[in-house]
Amino acid sequence: AQSVTQPDIHITVSEGASLELRCNYSYGATPYLFWYVQSPGQGLQLLLKYFSGDTLVQGIKGFEAEFKRSQSSFNLRKPSVHWSDAAEYFCAVGPYGGSQGNLIFGKGTKLSVKP
Amino acid sequence: SQTIHQWPATLVQPVGSPLSLECTVEGTSNPNLYWYRQAAGRGLQLLFYSVGIGQISSEVPQNLSASRPQDRQFILSSKKLLLSDSGFYLCAWSGTGVLSDYGYTFGSGTRLTVV
Repeated sequence: AQSVTQPDIHITVSEGASLELRCNYSYGATPYLFWYVQSPGQGLQLLLKYFSGDTLVQGIKGFEAEFKRSQSSFNLRKPSVHWSDAAEYFCAVGPYGGSQGNLIFGKGTKLSVKP
Repeated sequence: SQTIHQWPATLVQPVGSPLSLECTVEGTSNPNLYWYRQAAGRGLQLLFYSVGIGQISSEVPQNLSASRPQDRQFILSSKKLLLSDSGFYLCAWSGTGVLSDYGYTFGSGTRLTVV
């Protein structure tokens, strides 16, 4: 079955510490992979995306993600977290089509940043 | 460039009243359009998906309906709101065809409170 799993519902890190948010997916071929960020009360903003080629992709705001086919994972990383990174992060996988639309989203990971 | 507009930003409605939320996309044609709802702490729930004028797929049975009267206009409606309809509603669009990257662009959302 097609699915996206973000195992961590809530993560708290200290400002300046490194960050890794996990995403695992189920997909029958090489997927298109996305990470989105949502600040409170706002819509979702695209951080980065992977289609093919280099498995390490760079995004906005200093984020990067690595596609690991053998682990069916696309984890999001940042070497040094800033207080402004506190938000909710969503991983998405596709394309699927059909009644589900193009992408399936994980349930999100809420990031809190301690000063 | 493509833009997506969603309004109103906030809405407080009494139980039993009607609802109409509107979403329009500019700078593209024949987009796929989506309505999502976020209840507190429950991630993204796909409500409706449209691949063209008059073509609506519904993911879950509910008190809501959607219409697409024009190519780039997507409307979410209800005849009689329930308390459980409260939440944050997001509209999104994605491209179609072989050149599409399948990524979604989200509107800024509507906070609906049913009282």
